[in-house]
This record gives sequence, structure tokens and C-alpha cells, in this order.
Amino acid sequence: DAGVTQSPTHLIKTRGQHVTLRCSPISGHKSVSWYQQVLGQGPQFIFQYYEKEERGRGNFPDRFSARQFPNYSSELNVNALLLGDSALYLCASSLVRGKDTQYFGPGTRLTVL
Amino acid sequence: QQQVKQSPQSLIVQKGGISIINCAYENTAFDYFPWYQQFPGKGPALLIAIRPDVSEKKEGRFTISFNKSAKQFSLHIMDSQPGDSATYFCAAGGSYIPTFGRGTSLIVHP
Repeated sequence: DAGVTQSPTHLIKTRGQHVTLRCSPISGHKSVSWYQQVLGQGPQFIFQYYEKEERGRGNFPDRFSARQFPNYSSELNVNALLLGDSALYLCASSLVRGKDTQYFGPGTRLTVL
Repeated sequence: QQQVKQSPQSLIVQKGGISIINCAYENTAFDYFPWYQQFPGKGPALLIAIRPDVSEKKEGRFTISFNKSAKQFSLHIMDSQPGDSATYFCAAGGSYIPTFGRGTSLIVHP
């Protein structure tokens, strides 16, 4: 079975631009979470979606938004990019919410110039 | 606010040695404690996890020790191998969303 897939792999943007990152969960998984991982630090939680509804939001500005589609894939959108948004953006999926094992994708490396 | 503190930041061991990474948490509502292994250019992969109703869990060369009263847990890697060289993250889960430590970069010399 395919694992969590993310696209694109790498992305270079300039300040002020907008970016959309995509994630496809493992088949059968209904929950998707997004994390930001800055170099040298652990992943920081951004959003969690379950059954197409937002179930959790981390301490990130409103420039960050996300959604989950009927097929359980998800998009993370970031508006008005700042240099500090440069990071590895990780998507993780799990069967359901709760204390269920999260499986991470390889991430999207975003560089903001 | 760092709710999960991980140490050391980096660790170098010889092949065959024991690697020990420690984590401490603050929120007593946390009740799921996974460890993740991350190789460069890859996403974190679940290594082993424990719930607070047990004090130790072993899977192969990897063991989690959990001290609920001290709010601490640790990962022990026995017979460390060069292939274990990676970054290790502890996490503590509560309310469905895990909080990660800052990570430990482990290097195992052959």
C-alpha cells in the first residue's frame, strides 16, 4: 500500500506570495494533520482534519488555512508568505482521531526568498 | 511554551553501545508517548510508543522507560548500529494532538 504522499517535494517562493501544499493520506485513513518543521526543531502542529471538518488548530496566524476533501486528501494554504515560513511541511494521516498512530509523509520543503 | 523537553540535543556513541535519550513533559493530561525516527529528507516514522499504564515497553533493540510520577520517559537503543544514525523525536499526546520535543541527533560510529 502507498504511504502518505505529498506534493510538491520542493517549492521556492518569494515573500508575499501564496502557496498550496497537497497531501494524500493512506487509503482508509480519515484524519489528516499538518505540521511545520523548522530546521533543527521538532514538528509543530498546524491543523487536524477529520471527516472533512477542522478538529484542531495550532498557534499559527490566519495566513495559514487548510481543508479536507471528500476523498480525505487535504490542502494547506499559506498566504502572504514570510521568510520565517521557510520550513519542511509535513502531513500525517491516521485511521481516526485520537491516540491513533500517525503516519507521516516525506514533507514539502518550502523556501521563501 | 515548551511542553516536552528533550535531551541531549546530540549524541555520539560507538557501534554496539547503548544510546539513551530523555524527555520530560509538563501536562499531566498527556497519555500517549511515541518516539519517532527521522532520516534526512524523510518524514518522521513511528518507532515505538507507550501509554502511562505501563512502565516499560520493549520492541527489539528499542525500549521505552516511563516514570509517571516524575513525568519523564526515555528511549534506550541497545547494541546501537551505524544505521541507527538519525534524529529522534519524543512526543507526548493529549487531546488527540501530539507535542514534539526538539529532537536528538544520534550518530553511531562504526
